[in-house]
Amino acid sequence: DSGVTQTPKHLITATGQRVTLRCSPRSGDLSVYWYQQSLDQGLQFLIQYYNGEERAKGNILERFSAQQFPDLHSELNLSSLELGDSALYFCASSVGTLGNEQFFGPGTRLTVL
Amino acid sequence: AQSVTQPDIHITVSEGASLELRCNYSYGATPYLFWYVQSPGQGLQLLLKYFSGDTLVQGIKGFEAEFKRSQSSFNLRKPSVHWSDAAEYFCAVGAGTYKYIFGTGTRLKVLA
Repeated sequence: DSGVTQTPKHLITATGQRVTLRCSPRSGDLSVYWYQQSLDQGLQFLIQYYNGEERAKGNILERFSAQQFPDLHSELNLSSLELGDSALYFCASSVGTLGNEQFFGPGTRLTVL
Repeated sequence: AQSVTQPDIHITVSEGASLELRCNYSYGATPYLFWYVQSPGQGLQLLLKYFSGDTLVQGIKGFEAEFKRSQSSFNLRKPSVHWSDAAEYFCAVGAGTYKYIFGTGTRLKVLA
């Protein structure tokens, strides 16, 4: 158990819908990272927050957004969902910046029908 | 542009045999390098990391990796593979202050 929790574990929805994925980092970790893992794209870095502020952006679509709240939990919002958004979404946390180990949550499996 | 290449998509080894998983990176500066393992249905777990210093890095579960700057490589090795090592392995490079780039992964199968 990494100490990072993600909810829900599984999510099935329809195209065009909007969903919110939630992540609670390990106690004491200030950084939260979001990743998308799909069969054809591999593991893609989406976005990173540090202590409530966005710090880095990867291959995140404009239909996706995220935020980190004062209690340090984070939410990833996916809207206007398409079939291709079906993937495993991971959250990871670390104490600080790049030099620190990232601890990954178990992931949320999103299926868009 | 920064990138990470894991040329082997699948590798099959017999239990007890040695293992080497290849990783090549492209990055302008001295990179931070990582190896992660993902067991089925699980998140990623850090095996080892290289920031600086000794180019041979020891990790958990008996794994080690060697940083070779001249070859832009960071290959993962284990002298004797156990059936429980069957998983997917990801090499990653720290690109900039906060961004990580992962390779496409190598799926390891272990034959009894």
